[in-house]
Amino acid sequence: GENVEQHPSTLSVQEGDSAVIKCTYSDSASNYFPWYKQELGKGPQLIIDIRSNVGEKKDQRIAVTLNKTAKHFSLHITETQPEDSAVYFCAEGSFKTIFGAGTRLFVKA
Amino acid sequence: ETGVTQTPRHLVMGMTNKKSLKCEQHLGHNAMYWYKQSAKKPLELMFVYNFKEQTENNSVPSRFSPECPNSSHLFLHLHTLQPEDSALYLCASSQDQGADEKLFFGSGTQLSVL
Repeated sequence: GENVEQHPSTLSVQEGDSAVIKCTYSDSASNYFPWYKQELGKGPQLIIDIRSNVGEKKDQRIAVTLNKTAKHFSLHITETQPEDSAVYFCAEGSFKTIFGAGTRLFVKA
Repeated sequence: ETGVTQTPRHLVMGMTNKKSLKCEQHLGHNAMYWYKQSAKKPLELMFVYNFKEQTENNSVPSRFSPECPNSSHLFLHLHTLQPEDSALYLCASSQDQGADEKLFFGSGTQLSVL
């Protein structure tokens, strides 16, 4: 079945630096890739998504890139702030949502 | 507020107790989901309901019994649980089940089984 691998499991950056989280998927027919952010004490929240007809999508300090040939997609956060500290989940959602294992991001002030 | 409300936020129960988790969505969605979140499996799908009908049961033990009386409400009835069932139980909803689901999650119920 479909599988989503996510790396790294933990990421620590200094405030103002960039953070990159990478995911790979196995089904070449996949075409929808959402990203969720889970803050402490809350459920995951959709923050950005990308479909396979585009290679990149930006929303302020957040961007996602997709390489269909390599079956990779990534989340880029620029100018990180302490409030970006959370667990981030990538997912593949073409038929049903399959989540990655999550990345715990720490932004040090 | 995400539009998906879960109660209670915290629950402690003994292995012989019976309790229920409640979820309500105010988004007009047709699909509702139960997920289990633990250190071992961060987001594990348990059940899916679409238009009140159960469409997926991910090999969940029978000590977990879901109920969906209408598209806005979802329950998870718990009985004879084991300590390894201690986890965060998340409810989610989406407009419809299937392709390109955008999931809206509640804040979860933190369950401890003693």
